[in-house]
Amino acid sequence: AAGVIQSPRHLIKEKRETATLKCYPIPRHDTVYWYQQGPGQDPQFLISFYEKMQSDKGSIPDRFSAQQFSDYHSELNMSSLELGDSALYFCASSLGQPDLTQYFGPGTRLLVL
Amino acid sequence: KNQVEQSPQSLIILEGKNCTLQCNYTVSPFSNLRWYKQDTGRGPVSLTIMTFSENTKSNGRYTATLDADTKQSSLHITASQLSDSASYICVVSVVGGSNYKLTFGKGTLLTVNP
Repeated sequence: AAGVIQSPRHLIKEKRETATLKCYPIPRHDTVYWYQQGPGQDPQFLISFYEKMQSDKGSIPDRFSAQQFSDYHSELNMSSLELGDSALYFCASSLGQPDLTQYFGPGTRLLVL
Repeated sequence: KNQVEQSPQSLIILEGKNCTLQCNYTVSPFSNLRWYKQDTGRGPVSLTIMTFSENTKSNGRYTATLDADTKQSSLHITASQLSDSASYICVVSVVGGSNYKLTFGKGTLLTVNP
């Protein structure tokens, strides 16, 4: 069965650079969630979209922005990268109401040097 | 204090043995509780999801229980396999109006040795 696809899987950037992470949800899923997981930390919810509209906002820094496109894929744009942004970024998707099980992608590992 | 507490932090067992992981939560209003398995460097994989009206749910060798009165859940793994080595995360969902929040526990790191 198709799963959530994230790209790239690994990314190395320098401080103050920008990065764009992409997420392709499971086909027919209309809700996308972004999480940030630092080393040894539990995932922190960043932001979610339902039917291309922002549905909830968590601890997403102002330097980050995200959107969901007409084909339901989502992109997380990160600017002015800081060393502390180094983490594993997960995307998850679900169908319909946000309370259903979320299916996680494999994550994008971002390293900021 | 974390609103979702898991114990033990880590656990080492021998292949074939059973084990039970615990999750206590204080978040409210409670919507549902999920258990995820997360292999190192990979995304969490859902094992079970339970609403407050359910007190047990099984998925193969995994059985989750929930006591909504005491706000406790457990994940029992039967006949453990080497591939069960992973972090097991308890996640509680809170619903408020049109929004929702997932609160993650810090996980129990399970190591299954041959």
